[in-house]
Amino acid sequence: RKEVEQDPGPFNVPEGATVAFNCTYSNSASQSFFWYRQDCRKEPKLLMSVYSSGNEDGRFTAQLNRASQYISLLIRDSKLSDSATYLCVVNMRGSNYKLTFGKGTLLTVNP
Amino acid sequence: NAGVMQNPRHLVRRRGQEARLRCSPMKGHSHVYWYRQLPEEGLKFMVYLQKENIIDESGMPKERFSAEFPKEGPSILRIQQVVRGDSAAYFCASSPSNGLAGVDGELFFGEGSRLTVL
Repeated sequence: RKEVEQDPGPFNVPEGATVAFNCTYSNSASQSFFWYRQDCRKEPKLLMSVYSSGNEDGRFTAQLNRASQYISLLIRDSKLSDSATYLCVVNMRGSNYKLTFGKGTLLTVNP
Repeated sequence: NAGVMQNPRHLVRRRGQEARLRCSPMKGHSHVYWYRQLPEEGLKFMVYLQKENIIDESGMPKERFSAEFPKEGPSILRIQQVVRGDSAAYFCASSPSNGLAGVDGELFFGEGSRLTVL
């Protein structure tokens, strides 16, 4: 089983749609959780951290379920500029710098 | 305030040649991390360096790959005798202290160096 698994995608949605990405992780020792965004042929950039209580940043909502080892990202009212690959990222207790990335899910928002 | 700078952005090598990838961290950052992204794969940790020290190289292939971060100058990832399977995007990230920089786990990545081995 892969350490971090994401929806294979790709997702094609119209502007204004709500889209949800799912992610599971295999190592119960995982400590911190993030969603990164990667535009085509560019570097990954932190979108948001994911907290146990769930957290929201504008149109983006992240959820974490430690019991199920499951992370989600919800994007509401999607914009053309949301088109990118969304990466689920975890790291383990005691190795802050060794992030484990999922393969990513490609989102295309269409006009 | 320049970000993480990597060069070259694109590098083409024939099998058996050497590839050298350079990374200058953000100003004030003394910790450098190299990650590799193979086609259709997620980024994988390779190595963590501080000035003149390799802290963790557990993700580095055992042969042909080496990394350094000298007292002066950029960090260098060196791949000797490249093979087609080395074709990938190599990303460098930096942080100002041990662990993750900025707010909650943000690593600042450079734009990457894309290596193509013919």
